Amino acid sequence: SAVISQKPSRDICQRGTSLTIQCQVDSQVTMMFWYRQQPGQSLTLIATANQGSEATYESGFVIDKFPISRPNLTFSTLTVSNMSPEDSSIYLCSVVGWDKFYGYTFGSGTRLTVV
Amino acid sequence: TQLLEQSPQFLSIQEGENLTVYCNSSSVFSSLQWYRQEPGEGPVLLVTVVTGGEVKKLKRLTFQFGDARKDSSLHITAAQPGDTGLYLCAGVRTRNAGKSTFGDGTTLTVKP
Repeated sequence: SAVISQKPSRDICQRGTSLTIQCQVDSQVTMMFWYRQQPGQSLTLIATANQGSEATYESGFVIDKFPISRPNLTFSTLTVSNMSPEDSSIYLCSVVGWDKFYGYTFGSGTRLTVV
Repeated sequence: TQLLEQSPQFLSIQEGENLTVYCNSSSVFSSLQWYRQEPGEGPVLLVTVVTGGEVKKLKRLTFQFGDARKDSSLHITAAQPGDTGLYLCAGVRTRNAGKSTFGDGTTLTVKP
């Protein structure tokens, strides 16, 4: 299965600032997914990042707030812009593919706290 | 409205006990996945089930997909402290461009 390196693993940021999260995959993938998760709770899909085209955002998420880059088939970034305490969450990138089963492989996540 | 509902939300048991986690929906899924997540890590895929009525066994874990492909269960036999974690089910609806919808999770604590 793919191996995903995500950084930073955690950060504490001041409100009004922006944070860029990086996700590196050890193989080429067509789609990369960005999720948000409150600790101990479900995952909510933010957007799907396709190489060579604009990211597709889910309802409730907009590009101005969560700009995404996808410069090549192994790398993507998610920026959380103009942060507020409500943005405090765990952000995860993932790819889909085959290992023993067909499913998602996730990065280890970025725990963001906005103060 | 949560498309996939998991129960129970929290479960705390002693080592050696058996348990079952349920994942229910009113929607039909082309496949359903189960993940386990430990603190500070991303979810790790345990299994994918695709056929109605399918049963898959992975050591002490047994996964079942409902006949109508609307629900699933995860049964753990003789739970161990290493089974502690957040268990998430995720369903894929073909008409949803293959994207997964995640359940609200079951937090399992196995006490030694």
